[in-house]
Amino acid sequence: EVQLLESGGGLVQPGGSLRLSCAASGFTFSNYAMGWVRQAPGKGPECVSSTSSDGRTTYYADSVRGRFSFSRDNSKNTLYLQMNSLRAEDTALYYCVRAAPYYLDNWGQGTLVTVSS
Amino acid sequence: EIVMTQSPATLSVSPGERATLSCWASQSVGSKLAWYQQRPGQAPRLLMYGSSTRATGIPARFSGSGSGTEFTLTISSLQSEDFAVYYCQQYNNWPRTFGQGTKVEIK
Repeated sequence: EVQLLESGGGLVQPGGSLRLSCAASGFTFSNYAMGWVRQAPGKGPECVSSTSSDGRTTYYADSVRGRFSFSRDNSKNTLYLQMNSLRAEDTALYYCVRAAPYYLDNWGQGTLVTVSS
Repeated sequence: EIVMTQSPATLSVSPGERATLSCWASQSVGSKLAWYQQRPGQAPRLLMYGSSTRATGIPARFSGSGSGTEFTLTISSLQSEDFAVYYCQQYNNWPRTFGQGTKVEIK
């Protein structure tokens, strides 16, 4: 069974930083592109970032480019999202997703990021 | 960025009836269109990909059609567990973009 377990969310002040993690299990992690999708309260999902199976190619939404950094450690079956210079509009539930290879066939339960003073 | 537009925003349907949801793309995405279902308090779940291919475990009452810029998701006979929000998503271009969702509610 595919499992994606996010962690690292919390309350942070504007301008602050957080690092999200996603522990993956139940599949051959290194064979899949992975991503982060966020969903603000009452809104539709937004693809934040995506990386290829080997981590060599990474895409970012315009709204986070230059502030967020996505990485993966295939030896630990883990994804990371380093989020810097956080803004109020980054407040959302952040989901770790598996891409197969482009549509999102498995989602974690999400970790909540709240940016507020 | 490709803009995805869904209609209607809310669809009121009685159990056992058919529901038809629409999704438009601002430019052609071929057949690279997925549908997701999101029940309250849950993560989205993949229903359909390639416009018309059901994901693993999705019942046959769900069907998808369309290509280019116009797509449809049909639920042939609504069951209680189908009342949820449905999102379309294009994966032809980056950024992958979602529609704003259609809420299917009990009439």
